[in-house]
Amino acid sequence: DAGVTQSPTHLIKTRGQHVTLRCSPISGHKSVSWYQQVLGQGPQFIFQYYEKEERGRGNFPDRFSARQFPNYSSELNVNALLLGDSALYLCASEGSSGFKNIQYFGAGTRLSVL
Amino acid sequence: EDQVTQSPEALRLQEGESSSLNCSYTVSGLRGLFWYRQDPGKGPEFLFTLYSAGEEKEKERLKATLTKKESFLHITAPKPEDSATYLCAVQEPYGNNRLAFGKGNQVVVIP
Repeated sequence: DAGVTQSPTHLIKTRGQHVTLRCSPISGHKSVSWYQQVLGQGPQFIFQYYEKEERGRGNFPDRFSARQFPNYSSELNVNALLLGDSALYLCASEGSSGFKNIQYFGAGTRLSVL
Repeated sequence: EDQVTQSPEALRLQEGESSSLNCSYTVSGLRGLFWYRQDPGKGPEFLFTLYSAGEEKEKERLKATLTKKESFLHITAPKPEDSATYLCAVQEPYGNNRLAFGKGNQVVVIP
């Protein structure tokens, strides 16, 4: 079975540009979460979507947005890129919004902002 | 304010030298505590989830335990392939299932 897939694997952008990152959850999973991991730190929560509805938002500026599609795949968009946005962006999927669910992570998208 | 603190930040072990990693948390009403393994440039790989104090889980050379304020990941007779960063995360007592991670324990096992 395919795990969580993310694309692209690597991305290089310049300051001020816009970027779109994509995520396909594990088949049958309806919830997707996005995390940002800066080098040497643990992942930081950005968004969670369940059944196309936003369920949670972390402490990130409005330049960050996301959406979930009818097939449960998701996009993370970042506008007006800053150098500090350089990080590994991780997508995680889980089966439902229930109590004892496990989040399974993809390999991530490495974003470099120059 | 950090909710999850992991120690030590980095650890070098000789192959076969058992050790423990610590994860202390301050969140009240813990819904779940998770351990993940992360290799360089990769996404976190799920290892264990613990829900109540006294609970223990084992997988090969790894054993996770949970108390009311901390969790330990015990590595028994480690091998070089156990070299990785081990991440601890707590599930917050809110409506969504967001995970709050610590900075990780970087483990290097020397042959």
